[in-house]
Amino acid sequence: DARVTQTPRDKVTEMGQEVTMRCQPILGHNTVFWYRQTMMQGLELLAYFRNRAPLDDSGMPKDRFSAEMPDATLATLKIQPSEPRDSAVYFCASGSGNTIYFGEGSWLTVV
Amino acid sequence: AQKITQTQPGMFVQEKEAVTLDCTYDTSDQSYGLFWYKQPSSGEMIFLIYQGSYDEQNATEGRYSLNFQKARKSANLVISASQLGDSAMYFCAMREHNTNAGKSTFGDGTTLTVKP
Repeated sequence: DARVTQTPRDKVTEMGQEVTMRCQPILGHNTVFWYRQTMMQGLELLAYFRNRAPLDDSGMPKDRFSAEMPDATLATLKIQPSEPRDSAVYFCASGSGNTIYFGEGSWLTVV
Repeated sequence: AQKITQTQPGMFVQEKEAVTLDCTYDTSDQSYGLFWYKQPSSGEMIFLIYQGSYDEQNATEGRYSLNFQKARKSANLVISASQLGDSAMYFCAMREHNTNAGKSTFGDGTTLTVKP
């Protein structure tokens, strides 16, 4: 079965360190999303791309977060420097038309 | 701006009974899609069902059906013959096809507990 692949699955890092999360969308999907999920805020859309072009990153803290899609098979979400409040599950999802599928998430803990 | 409202933070249902999870939405787009996802305690997000705004028939996928009432802007999920494995968080989501070029918005979720 085709699936969205995310790495790392789990990451514990110290405050101030750079964190890079990677996502391989499902082949043929033209839209890629990054979401953050926390108990307090629920699911928040951080950024999304269509045909590799960034369309909306208004949900993302610009000073420390950046999202890119260097090619059709890779999307990245970078946090630099990381802070304890960034601790969350980060989901990548990809979609085309009437389907949106999620990866298994990257569980980030910043201590 | 698009918005999804799930008014039931938690729901209980007896095993083998049916349950309806509510979802209302707000959009100015004429073309949009509505989705339901299941998130079990393991944390993964599992796609359940999709309804397009122009679909005349309610979507069904096995024990899941979507009660789509366009005029009322509601897209309730009906789970028939509940099973213990249905206990999870359920999210309603919408994706506009025109205005926001495919941006998706999620509701706050409903936690469903199936009782034996």
